[in-house]
Amino acid sequence: AQSVTQLDSHVSVSEGTPVLLRCNYSSSYSPSLFWYVQHPNKGLQLLLKYTSAATLVKGINGFEAEFKKSETSFHLTKPSAHMSDAAEYFCVVSLTGRRALTFGSGTRLQVQP
Amino acid sequence: EAGVTQFPSHSVIEKGQTVTLRCDPISGHDNLYWYRRVMGKEIKFLLHFVKESKQDESGMPNNRFLAERTGGTYSTLKVQPAELEDSGVYFCASSHRDRGSPLHFGNGTRLTVT
Repeated sequence: AQSVTQLDSHVSVSEGTPVLLRCNYSSSYSPSLFWYVQHPNKGLQLLLKYTSAATLVKGINGFEAEFKKSETSFHLTKPSAHMSDAAEYFCVVSLTGRRALTFGSGTRLQVQP
Repeated sequence: EAGVTQFPSHSVIEKGQTVTLRCDPISGHDNLYWYRRVMGKEIKFLLHFVKESKQDESGMPNNRFLAERTGGTYSTLKVQPAELEDSGVYFCASSHRDRGSPLHFGNGTRLTVT
């Protein structure tokens, strides 16, 4: 079975400070891991994905995530938050050989001016 | 390229009525998925089409839900009869046939059953 846990339902940061959104996964096999973002009234947009090529994955808009197998974590980071980063972020896992995605419960990021 | 389009964006219906949601995938995408997010819960997989064939419908909640993709282009998801617990946001996504191709999501249809 596979699952994904996002440790924080809400995160609030000040503009210009670092962002850390935490995600732990559980999977019996080598997973593919993703981060998606949803801005208000918009569809889900892929930020980045991990598929075992490199443990540090760089995504769009300055986001990156590091796959740590020993900790079963895939935390999302950004060095400096921008107001436009305010959105809901989803950590997602997919089993090799299966197309269906399993979503975390989401983390709502607020960016204070 | 045009993105994934979903229609309507919002739908409010009464319990017991029927609603049909439509999804137009990105042209040329063989894979089409339906997901939904019930209020306060995670986004859950419903089913997966490869062209016109249902590849995986393990997430369909019950037989009140019927998904079709005639001709392998657009897809419809019908709920008949709708119940209160069906309220939520229904997302459609599509991707290329290549394994590992990212999913492109539509903006979703917000369904409210009263």
